Amino acid sequence: DQQVKQNSPSLSVQEGRISILNCDYTNSMFDYFLWYKKYPAEGPTFLISISSIKDKNEDGRFTVFLNKSAKHLSLHIVPSQPGDSAVYFCAARGYTGKLIFGQGTTLQVKP
Amino acid sequence: NAGVTQTPKFRVLKTGQSMTLLCAQDMNHEYMYWYRQDPGMGLRLIHYSVGEGTTAKGEVPDGYNVSRLKKQNFLLGLESAAPSQTSVYFCASRRINRVENTEAFFGQGTRLTVV
Repeated sequence: DQQVKQNSPSLSVQEGRISILNCDYTNSMFDYFLWYKKYPAEGPTFLISISSIKDKNEDGRFTVFLNKSAKHLSLHIVPSQPGDSAVYFCAARGYTGKLIFGQGTTLQVKP
Repeated sequence: NAGVTQTPKFRVLKTGQSMTLLCAQDMNHEYMYWYRQDPGMGLRLIHYSVGEGTTAKGEVPDGYNVSRLKKQNFLLGLESAAPSQTSVYFCASRRINRVENTEAFFGQGTRLTVV
């Protein structure tokens, strides 16, 4: 059973608009949630994270929101830029050290 | 400034052959991970290690074995390769949980094809 789910395989937005990527999880024992960005033929790179005791974390154009009661988190990118086009992975960190990823969402930002 | 290095970058195996993928990190990280990436499946955790000499199963451990004899190295072994193991394999490492924001750093990946 997938513990971290990204139900939208792809998302297309216009440059300058907001991109919202969503992620759901099933295990309440995760203590940190992270977002990674991946370009083709490269390894994923860290983007932003949030502790399970917080509900929002902001870093420049990127904001992550956490709704613990709904076991849902989202990544907002404002404004979106063509260089943001990539695959975005949501990940959850467990207390035992496990790091579980979702299926990924391919974001396309059109000029 | 190597970070996480995976060897080899590409490999073609015949069904039934064995091989070992090597992951080396120079950041003195305690935790190390092996993932496989398949279309539509995202990154699935194969095995992970929270310290030298320790390993644990992830989400898809069958058909793989691992060893962490040295803190900086994490080996992934395929004893008898199958076509279903055709994938891109990623290794990652990070510091322990007690430190905040311990994001994982990834290698560049190993593209493995089993024919």
